[in-house]
Amino acid sequence: KQEVTQIPAALSVPEGENLVLNCSFTDSAIYNLQWFRQDPGKGLTSLLLIQSSQREQTSGRLNASLDKSSGRSTLYIAASQPGDSATYLCAVTRGSNYQLIWGAGTKLIIKP
Amino acid sequence: EPEVTQTPSHQVTQMGQEVILRCVPISNHLYFYWYRQILGQKVEFLVSFYNNEISEKSEIFDDQFSVERPDGSNFTLKIRSTKLEDSAMYFCASRQDAQPQHFGDGTRLSIL
Repeated sequence: KQEVTQIPAALSVPEGENLVLNCSFTDSAIYNLQWFRQDPGKGLTSLLLIQSSQREQTSGRLNASLDKSSGRSTLYIAASQPGDSATYLCAVTRGSNYQLIWGAGTKLIIKP
Repeated sequence: EPEVTQTPSHQVTQMGQEVILRCVPISNHLYFYWYRQILGQKVEFLVSFYNNEISEKSEIFDDQFSVERPDGSNFTLKIRSTKLEDSAMYFCASRQDAQPQHFGDGTRLSIL
């Protein structure tokens, strides 16, 4: 059974720092991996999608990497801003119906 | 940009009552999903739907739940005889073939 774990559960850093969020999964047989952002009480915003054949994806200040064989992904956020404060969720796609299996998230607070 | 639309944004229902959560997927999408997120917990897959039938469901999706695509635009989740533990955020998602899932803003269901 696929399990997705995110470390740390919470992170608080000063504005301007570069930071790394971690995601691990137990079954390497995934189709892709997505990183999402969730603001309190709000919906799920897709940030980056990495296909299983890819090693990384970049969007602006965000860079996500994938090491499928070791079951790990990282989300790198450069030059963090207070507006980056949110919960970041990692999810892997499994099964022929592409359902998502989710981690519990990392709650990120960027202090001005 | 096309969006997945969910209504209502917040639903309050007495325990034991039936509730219908509504979703309008993106118009050219063929695959539809429901997920739920109990407060403070992981997002969980409920059901996937394709070609007018359920393609996969989780163990959470028992006889209390049903889904329907009553016309060409709506995708509904019905919960019969609601229980307190059904209180959660319910997310609808849709996708085109080999593309990532697009999520609605969710419906917050509160069972009293």
